[in-house]
Amino acid sequence: GQQLNQSPQSMFIQEGEDVSMNCTSSSIFNTWLWYKQEPGEGPVLLIALYKAGELTSNGRLTAQFGITRKDSFLNISASIPSDVGIYFCAGQRYTGGFKTIFGAGTRLFVKA
Amino acid sequence: EAQVTQNPRYLITVTGKKLTVTCSQNMNHEYMSWYRQDPGLGLRQIYYSMNVEVTDKGDVPEGYKVSRKEKRNFPLILESPSPNQTSLYFCASSLSLGREQFFGPGTRLTVL
Repeated sequence: GQQLNQSPQSMFIQEGEDVSMNCTSSSIFNTWLWYKQEPGEGPVLLIALYKAGELTSNGRLTAQFGITRKDSFLNISASIPSDVGIYFCAGQRYTGGFKTIFGAGTRLFVKA
Repeated sequence: EAQVTQNPRYLITVTGKKLTVTCSQNMNHEYMSWYRQDPGLGLRQIYYSMNVEVTDKGDVPEGYKVSRKEKRNFPLILESPSPNQTSLYFCASSLSLGREQFFGPGTRLTVL
């Protein structure tokens, strides 16, 4: 099936550092979504992007919809311990059916 | 409170014994979807529904069935479960096609 390449797989950072992660694909997407998942819970939406080039912020989080519509990145500024979790990108596109494809996730560890 | 609910949250069963995982949303969302999550693979879409009586296959539909007789409910049916269907299952809903999806808490299924 289709794939999103999400990187890095994991990150170990110090509290206060900035974080950047991205997703790329060979396919064009109509929507890019970024989610965070904590243990034992479902993914929680962080940011939704609907237009190529769109740059959207949510507190310390900023995400962009790549101009080619094939990629997206998420930045977290001044990380704090509660940022720990798994971050997923997801792309949505219509290909004879409307499907959602998820990246494999970036596991973030923050050391206080 | 706006939410997506799933039942049961945990289920251990044996090969071949039919089971149903229920999903319900109270947000009057048109679009609903089922995913399975396996270590290192992120979330993979099983089936989705764009509205009542409209369902379509995702990336990994084999061994699963769904129905959408009412807008709020979207049950996932495993007619003859097998051990390779042991996984964490999430239901999600969104207002309409292409909008951000909101996830339920997950159902952890073990097939022995």
